[in-house]
Amino acid sequence: AQSVTQLDSHVSVSEGTPVLLRCNYSSSYSPSLFWYVQHPNKGLQLLLKYTSAATLVKGINGFEAEFKKSETSFHLTKPSAHMSDAAEYFCVVSASGSARQLTFGSGTQLTVLP
Amino acid sequence: DSGVTQTPKHLITATGQRVTLRCSPRSGDLSVYWYQQSLDQGLQFLIQYYNGEERAKGNILERFSAQQFPDLHSELNLSSLELGDSALYFCASSGGDRSYNEQFFGPGTRLTVL
Repeated sequence: AQSVTQLDSHVSVSEGTPVLLRCNYSSSYSPSLFWYVQHPNKGLQLLLKYTSAATLVKGINGFEAEFKKSETSFHLTKPSAHMSDAAEYFCVVSASGSARQLTFGSGTQLTVLP
Repeated sequence: DSGVTQTPKHLITATGQRVTLRCSPRSGDLSVYWYQQSLDQGLQFLIQYYNGEERAKGNILERFSAQQFPDLHSELNLSSLELGDSALYFCASSGGDRSYNEQFFGPGTRLTVL
């Protein structure tokens, strides 16, 4: 069984300040972990993914995430928020066993204030 | 643009009716996934097809069915519709069927059941 918990349903930051979106996962197998972003009325876009290579993963638009097995966490960060980062972010886990479907977190709505 | 297309963009229908949602994967992708996004349930995996065969099943109701055709497009059939079926339905595709394969999402079909 696999699950993912996004610890904050809403995060609000000022433009130019750091972003931290928190995610904890649970998986019976070595997981693959992803962060997806959904802008209003749009489909989901992959930001980055972890697949058991480097624990620090760099993604698009300046985002990165660190896989910490001891803490079962995969938090998403960005040094400096931009107005265009305002969107909903989903942390996603996929077990490497027979189940290949993605399990999504409940999402974190990021608001960027001017 | 992810390369995944979904039709129609919007669908309004009545309870008890049946609808068909269509998805065309990215060129060359063999896997198609269907997801349902609703306010109360979040994003949930429904079903996956790989090269025409059902590969994984998630929280898909018995009233729902899907298939993938030889040209790799897929259809999701929803019957005996209920108010609670109103949601955004996403299709995604990937080149393989491994847990680490990136999935590319279409723009979704918004279904409203009145």
